[in-house]
Amino acid sequence: AQSVTQPDIHITVSEGASLELRCNYSYGATPYLFWYVQSPGQGLQLLLKYFSGDTLVQGIKGFEAEFKRSQSSFNLRKPSVHWSDAAEYFCAVGARGFNKFYFGSGTKLNVKP
Amino acid sequence: NAGVTQTPKFQVLKTGQSMTLQCAQDMNHEYMSWYRQDPGMGLRLIHYSVGAGITDQGEVPNGYNVSRSTTEDFPLRLLSAAPSQTSVYFCASSTGTGSAYEQYFGPGTRLTVT
Repeated sequence: AQSVTQPDIHITVSEGASLELRCNYSYGATPYLFWYVQSPGQGLQLLLKYFSGDTLVQGIKGFEAEFKRSQSSFNLRKPSVHWSDAAEYFCAVGARGFNKFYFGSGTKLNVKP
Repeated sequence: NAGVTQTPKFQVLKTGQSMTLQCAQDMNHEYMSWYRQDPGMGLRLIHYSVGAGITDQGEVPNGYNVSRSTTEDFPLRLLSAAPSQTSVYFCASSTGTGSAYEQYFGPGTRLTVT
């Protein structure tokens, strides 16, 4: 069965520091992979997605993620965090051909001034 | 383009009441889904549809009904509300093809069942 694990429930980083949010998935084949961001009281916004090809994908707001097949991971990174990045981040797996998505439980990012 | 719209934004129900959460999209997307979001559990798929007249169950379908009579609309019905259905509900749509295979989310409906 497909599943997504985000092992960090809360993360606090200082403004200007680098960030890495972890995501591990379980899926029988190469999945579609996504990162979404949710600000308080808002819906979900797509940050980036991976379908195939280059395993390092660039997204909006300066975020990037790397697909590592051997580790079943799709970690999200940002070199320098801004206070406006404080939000909750969700990793998701899409089952190819079935249009069903599975989400992780989310990681809440707090940014210290 | 309004994208994905949901109504109402907030709703309070008493146990046993029924209601329908509305979802509409104007992007001509074939695929539509309903999720519920609970603290610490991410988003869980309730029901989804791959086109008008076709629906299927997700991870947590019990207590919810859906139908899809048009491409644009995908309402979610709670037949007899229970406190366990207190949650934030999100509707999403996607084209499901190629690089457009991503979901667009509505703003959500916050439901409280007392």
